[in-house]
Amino acid sequence: DSGVTQTPKHLITATGQRVTLRCSPRSGDLSVYWYQQSLDQGLQFLIQYYNGEERAKGNILERFSAQQFPDLHSELNLSSLELGDSALYFCASSETGDPYNSPLHFGNGTRLTVT
Amino acid sequence: DAKTTQPTSMDCAEGRAANLPCNHSTISGNEYVYWYRQIHSQGPQYIIHGLKNNETNEMASLIITEDRKSSTLILPHATLRDTAVYYCIVRVARGGSEKLVFGKGTKLTVNP
Repeated sequence: DSGVTQTPKHLITATGQRVTLRCSPRSGDLSVYWYQQSLDQGLQFLIQYYNGEERAKGNILERFSAQQFPDLHSELNLSSLELGDSALYFCASSETGDPYNSPLHFGNGTRLTVT
Repeated sequence: DAKTTQPTSMDCAEGRAANLPCNHSTISGNEYVYWYRQIHSQGPQYIIHGLKNNETNEMASLIITEDRKSSTLILPHATLRDTAVYYCIVRVARGGSEKLVFGKGTKLTVNP
């Protein structure tokens, strides 16, 4: 158990809809990362937050947005969903201190299916 | 980003050591080597990381060559549960971005 909690585990929705994925980081971790894993793309970095502020952005679509709340949990919002958005979405968190010497710890993901 | 090269797949007999190689010839002096694995569709699991010295923990050992251009992850006594995709990642140490960039990894199959 990594200590990172993601809800829900599974989500099935229709094209055009909007969903929210939730992540609770490990206790004390200030950084949260979101990744997307689809069958043909591997693990793709989406976005990172540190203590409530956006820190880095990757291949995140404009239809997607995220935030980190004062209690450090994070939400990833996906809107105007398309079939191609079907994927596993992982959240990870890491400790403070030396950022490059702190491993990311991943949750078990949310499997999103868009029909 | 410093790139890594890993074999696409490897096999190992149960109970034997699994040695997974990784080349990272463009690594910079302050960049760490990280190893993760992913079992089926579970979240990536952190295994070990290092800068220049060899490292060992309860899961594995990491051997980094003196020139830091390659490394080897060693699972000393592989079990069937070690069957997974193993990712070798060089963590970019610039620009304030602390993300990990995953490649395709090595699919390790441990056979009975």
